Amino acid sequence: AQRVTQPEKLLSVFKGAPVELKCNYSYSGSPELFWYVQYSRQRLQLLLRHISRESIKGFTADLNKGETSFHLKKPFAQEEDSAMYYCALQGGSEKLVFGKGMKLTVNP
Amino acid sequence: DVKVTQSSRYLVKRTGEKVFLECVQDMDHENMFWYRQDPGLGLRLIYFSYDVKMKEKGDIPEGYSVSREKKERFSLILESASTNQTSMYLCASSPPNRANTEAFFGQGTRLTVV
Repeated sequence: AQRVTQPEKLLSVFKGAPVELKCNYSYSGSPELFWYVQYSRQRLQLLLRHISRESIKGFTADLNKGETSFHLKKPFAQEEDSAMYYCALQGGSEKLVFGKGMKLTVNP
Repeated sequence: DVKVTQSSRYLVKRTGEKVFLECVQDMDHENMFWYRQDPGLGLRLIYFSYDVKMKEKGDIPEGYSVSREKKERFSLILESASTNQTSMYLCASSPPNRANTEAFFGQGTRLTVV
């Protein structure tokens, strides 16, 4: 079975503080992992994918197969990062599942 | 620019009604998905389809059915709407996962069942 766990629902930080949004997964095969973001009144959109190993808007995420984790990190949060963040996993069957999401608030 | 369009932004239906939610994508994507989004529960997969006339149950299919007669259109059907189906419904499409590409989402349909 595919499962994504985001253990925290809310995170509130001040501008310039580091942030880490946790994501753990359960999947027997080789997973494809993603982070999606939903800004206020906007559509859900891709932030980054593990296979690209890229940094988007200062965010990075590393796949740790030993710990089955894919945590999202940013060293210096900005107010415009305030949004809902969802971790997602896609398996070989094309099934795409999401975690429960985390609301990040960056205060001025 | 990829477009996933859901036919309605807001719907209000009565308990027991049959409800159709329509989703159309214009990028010739093989995969299409229906989710419901509820506060504290995140996105829960209802059904997905990886090809025309093909469908797979997601994690919460009870009370729902789907139809995919054409590649660009994926319909979600509530056979007999109930108040616990009041929610935000999101449709998405994507190419096959072997390309490891992203899913594109519609703007959502907020359904209220009274």
